[in-house]
Order: sequence, then structure tokens, then C-alpha cells
Amino acid sequence: DAGVTQSPTHLIKTRGQQVTLRCSPKSGHDTVSWYQQALGQGPQFIFQYYEEEERQRGNFPDRFSGHQYPNYSSELNVNALLLGDSALYLCASSLEVGNTDTQYFGPGTRLTVL
Amino acid sequence: RKEVEQDPGPFNVPEGATVAFNCTYSNSASQSFFWYRQDCRKEPKLLMSVYSSGNEDGRFTAQLNRASQYISLLIRDSKLSDSATYLCVVNGGNTGGFKTIFGAGTRLFVKA
Repeated sequence: DAGVTQSPTHLIKTRGQQVTLRCSPKSGHDTVSWYQQALGQGPQFIFQYYEEEERQRGNFPDRFSGHQYPNYSSELNVNALLLGDSALYLCASSLEVGNTDTQYFGPGTRLTVL
Repeated sequence: RKEVEQDPGPFNVPEGATVAFNCTYSNSASQSFFWYRQDCRKEPKLLMSVYSSGNEDGRFTAQLNRASQYISLLIRDSKLSDSATYLCVVNGGNTGGFKTIFGAGTRLFVKA
């Protein structure tokens, strides 16, 4: 039973660049949520994708965008990177059927913006 | 006021101690509640869901009080391996899907 996977594990970018992070959900899951976790803080909800559409969004600017593919995998895109975007980016998957919202997390992508 | 607030910690306890974590949430329409555990530089891992009737899993007991908008986690007979950050998680949403709010986490150190 494959768990949630994310790539890459680490990434270094400079201010102003753009980045794409990838996530494959746990086998059988169809909903993907993305989070940003700064050092010493709890994860902050960015957005959630289901059926290839964004259906919930946290308080993040439009520089943060995403996509979900028919196979349920997802991407997080961040444009015009700022130093403050340096964080651990976590992907979590869940299953819509049965209205269960228990989430399982991937290992994360650690993004450093210089 | 933060949407989800936890004890700031850290908690330093000896092995075998009982430790309790508290969490409050501000949105009375919140739908589901969880405790996650996060080890240093790792992803959060589900510890347990929290129900109004209370639920127990071995040494861990979680409780929800909807009237007071309060969630608790009790760890009995602490082990060295329990050292981690414990995250209180609250889910809520409008039509379709849910939005997840994490507390800042409470760090636990269990010492021999």
C-alpha cells in the first residue's frame, strides 16, 4: 500500500524564481491538500484539490497555485518567490467517499529561498 | 485570537509520568478533530481522531468537549519514544471539502 510521496525532497531557489512541487496521494485516495510549515510553527493550510478543482483555500496569495491530474496526483506552484516562502511544504491525501477527512501526510519538500 | 490554540510548552517529564495537553478552537461549526504527532524534521503522523464520547488507544486518551470548544490528549506511562511535538487539528468547511487548521504544537520531552 503506497503512502503519500512528494518530490523533490529538497530544493534551493533564489528570490523571484518559480517552483513546482509534486505529490502523489496514498493509494485509493482522491483528495489532496497542501500545507506550508515554517520552522517552529504548525502547518498552514494552502488549498485542497478534488476532482481536478480547487475547492477550499487558506489565506495565501495568488502566487500560490495548484493543479490536480486525473490520476489524483497534484502540483503546487509558487511564483515570484520571496525569502519568506522558505519552509517545509507538506502534501496530505484523504478519501472523499464516506465523507472521511482523515489525512495522511507525505514526507514534505523543504524549500529554501536565497 | 488564533483559530486553534495549544499549550505553548515545552513539557519536560520523566519516564512513567502522565501528561495532558489541551487545545481550544474558536469556530463552533468545526466538524472533526484530530491529534497528530510530529517528530523533528518529519511529517505529521495521525495519532488519533477525537470524539465527544472520548476515545482511547493504549496509553493515549483523547476527549472533545464541543460546548467548551476544547480538546484534550492524555498520555499515561510516558516513554522516551513519546518525545515529539503534538499537534491539535481541527477540520471545518463550507460546501464541499474541508479546511484544516493546525495548532502551533506542544513539544514534549520525556527523560530517563
